[in-house]
Formats: sequence, structure tokens, C-alpha cells
Amino acid sequence: NAGVTQTPKFRVLKTGQSMTLLCAQDMNHEYMYWYRQDPGMGLRLIHYSVGEGTTAKGEVPDGYNVSRLKKQNFLLGLESAAPSQTSVYFCASSYGPYYEQYFGPGTRLTVT
Amino acid sequence: GENVEQHPSTLSVQEGDSAVIKCTYSDSASNYFPWYKQELGKRPQLIIDIRSNVGEKKDQRIAVTLNKTAKHFSLHITETQPEDSAVYFCAALLYADGLTFGKGTHLIIQP
Repeated sequence: NAGVTQTPKFRVLKTGQSMTLLCAQDMNHEYMYWYRQDPGMGLRLIHYSVGEGTTAKGEVPDGYNVSRLKKQNFLLGLESAAPSQTSVYFCASSYGPYYEQYFGPGTRLTVT
Repeated sequence: GENVEQHPSTLSVQEGDSAVIKCTYSDSASNYFPWYKQELGKRPQLIIDIRSNVGEKKDQRIAVTLNKTAKHFSLHITETQPEDSAVYFCAALLYADGLTFGKGTHLIIQP
């Protein structure tokens, strides 16, 4: 089993460009999450999904959109990137809210 | 929403000594408290968790205690080893929404 994978691993964007980060899991988990990690700020929840076709806002959703068309995939979109979105993005999945979250390897995004 | 405070931000201990990291949460309705460990350049991984109906949980050298009245919980690591060096994050779950994480503690094990 690959667990949780993320594509791409690294990306550099110019301000105003758009991109999509892909998260995939092969553990048949219902719940999936997108976090951003900034130095000294811990992990902050952007959006999450409790099942195929559902999405919900987390702590810092502004500037991001998500979709969960298939149970195994959770996409994070940036429509118009800003330097403040420079961060490491982690995807995670779990059986439910009270179960271990399994994290992907992360995507390092730089917006210039 | 929930707010989680974590202290200290950096903790340096001698190898073999104990380490304690403390967290407080703001909403008494939170009922699940996991701890994640993140080694440099790696992804976070769960090391232990506790639910609100339990006061203490142990797993070999690590333990977590929960005081619901005071709204705080702590991670205890005994007999620290070099491989314990990492950043540790506490978190709290409110109403089955996503986790709210603390800002992390950088644990340094001195040889």
C-alpha cells in the first residue's frame, strides 16, 4: 500500500497563477484533510471532507478551493496564488474524526 | 472555534531524563486529544492519543494525561533517547470537525 501520496512535491508559482495539488489515498478512508504548515505556526486546517462529494471549511479556507469527486482523491486548488500562500501543504486521511490521521509527504509551494 | 496553546516552544533535556510538554484548550466540548511527532523534513505521525473519558494513557516510554476541569493535557516522555528529538504537536477535536493543532514543541535531546 502506498498510503497517502501527494503530487507535486515542489512547485514555484508567480503571483496570480493557479494550480491544483492532488492527494490520493489507498486505505479506503472516508475523511480527508488539507493542512498548511508555516514556521512557528503548527498545522492549520484549510478544508476537509467527510466523504465522497462533500467538503467543509477549516480554520484558514480563504484563497483555496477543494473537490472530492472520488473517495480516494482530494484536490486543493489555488485560483490566484499570493506570496502569503507560500507554505508546505500536507494532505491527510483517516477512517473518522477520532482515528489516526495518516499524512502525505507534503508539497513545498513557493509563490514569488 | 477551538484554540490550543502549547508550551514550551523549545525543550532541551539530557539523554535519559524525562520531558514534559503541556497544552491547554479553550472549548470544554473538545473530546479527543492526539499527539503527533514530526522529524525534520518528514511528515507528522501519531504517537499517542486520549479521549475525554480517560484521564491517562501510557504506551511504553510515553504517556498522556488529561485534566478536563482545567482544560489541559500533557505529554510525558521518560528515559529520553536521541531518536526522540523532533517537533511534537498536540491537537484537540471539537464536534468532529478537523483537528486544531498547537504550534509545536521542538524537543532536543542532549547527549
